[in-house]
Amino acid sequence: NAGVTQTPKFQVLKTGQSMTLQCAQDMNHNSMYWYRQDPGMGLRLIYYSASEGTTDKGEVPNGYNVSRLNKREFSLRLESAAPSQTSVYFCASRLGAGSDVTQYFGPGTRLTVL
Amino acid sequence: GNSVTQMEGPVTLSEEAFLTINCTYTATGYPSLFWYVQYPGEGLQLLLKATKADDKGSNKGFEATYRKETTSFHLEKGSVQVSDSAVYFCALTNFGNEKLTFGTGTRLTIIP
Repeated sequence: NAGVTQTPKFQVLKTGQSMTLQCAQDMNHNSMYWYRQDPGMGLRLIYYSASEGTTDKGEVPNGYNVSRLNKREFSLRLESAAPSQTSVYFCASRLGAGSDVTQYFGPGTRLTVL
Repeated sequence: GNSVTQMEGPVTLSEEAFLTINCTYTATGYPSLFWYVQYPGEGLQLLLKATKADDKGSNKGFEATYRKETTSFHLEKGSVQVSDSAVYFCALTNFGNEKLTFGTGTRLTIIP
């Protein structure tokens, strides 16, 4: 069981470039999440997907898009990267609302936008 | 809305010292409470959790008790080790709510 995996681990972009962060889970979880972590601010929710085929905005969705490709995979896209998007990005998953509410996290992607 | 307030860091202790990291919360209803730990360069790992009042979560020598009367979930360990050096996050979610609300994290450093 790999749990939650993320690729890439590190990425450097120039302002205006685009990229997609990949996330996959092998725990048959229904819900998946994208967070960003910035110093002194804890983790903030960008987008989430409560089930395959649905996505919803979190606290800080501006500048991002997501795709729930199937039950296992949930990607985060930056269409035109900005320096303010320099952060560490974490994907998480959980079984689903109404059952165990524990979220399990991936190892993170450290993104720098120059 | 929900919020979590945790002890400002950084916290530096000597090996074998007693640890307390304070966490208080504001939430509607009966939230589930969590402590996550982040070791250097890694993602967040669930350390322990409690889902109802007076529950005690425990793992790896760490404990936290869900106190509804004081809206607190303080993390404790009787004798810390150098390997406990990490950032600790308190978090909560409500039944039926997709969102996990985090505190800002407390950086703990243990010196030999």
